[in-house]
Amino acid sequence: DQQVKQNSPSLSVQEGRISILNCDYTNSMFDYFLWYKKYPAEGPTFLISISSIKDKNEDGRFTVFLNKSAKHLSLHIVPSQPGDSAVYFCAARGDSWGKLQFGAGTQVVVTP
Amino acid sequence: KAGVTQTPRYLIKTRGQQVTLSCSPISGHRSVSWYQQTPGQGLQFLFEYFSETQRNKGNFPGRFSGRQFSNSRSEMNVSTLELGDSALYLCASSLAGLDTEAFFGQGTRLTVV
Repeated sequence: DQQVKQNSPSLSVQEGRISILNCDYTNSMFDYFLWYKKYPAEGPTFLISISSIKDKNEDGRFTVFLNKSAKHLSLHIVPSQPGDSAVYFCAARGDSWGKLQFGAGTQVVVTP
Repeated sequence: KAGVTQTPRYLIKTRGQQVTLSCSPISGHRSVSWYQQTPGQGLQFLFEYFSETQRNKGNFPGRFSGRQFSNSRSEMNVSTLELGDSALYLCASSLAGLDTEAFFGQGTRLTVV
């Protein structure tokens, strides 16, 4: 049962433009959401997170928006850079020890 | 501060064999979680250890097991390997398991032939 879904397996965006990655979840017990970035042959790297008590968190070029009523979050990358080309995973945490529920990932390709 | 270290990086095993993977968490972190990543499946949670005790377990068969030592290092074992066990196995460490973020190692790429 996939409780975290990333419905877009891939996204292509021009350098300098905005990348918008979407994530939906089904479990209302999730209280913390994270985005990870993953390059081939490397482990996921933490990017940005948001608590369920907030609706927006910003860190440099990365902003995460949370819509609790819609059970939806999104990651905005502005402006997109070639080095942003990677797989992005959305993850959610509930009250379960040490467990993050991950989406299937979105492959982002930033073209010059 | 050293990151999460996983060894070995790559493994090739034959069906029916067993394998042990190792994970050294960030110093001071006591929670270690294991994940399996296969193409198109994202990361699937295997189990979590804290202070040498398994606190949480995912939906994997009993062939997958683990343990944690007093220095927080963790090992994961897979017995009677199947072709479908071929995957990237990732370990993540955090301070206590419910804190804000988990830090991942580079993973062990297991290929079963």
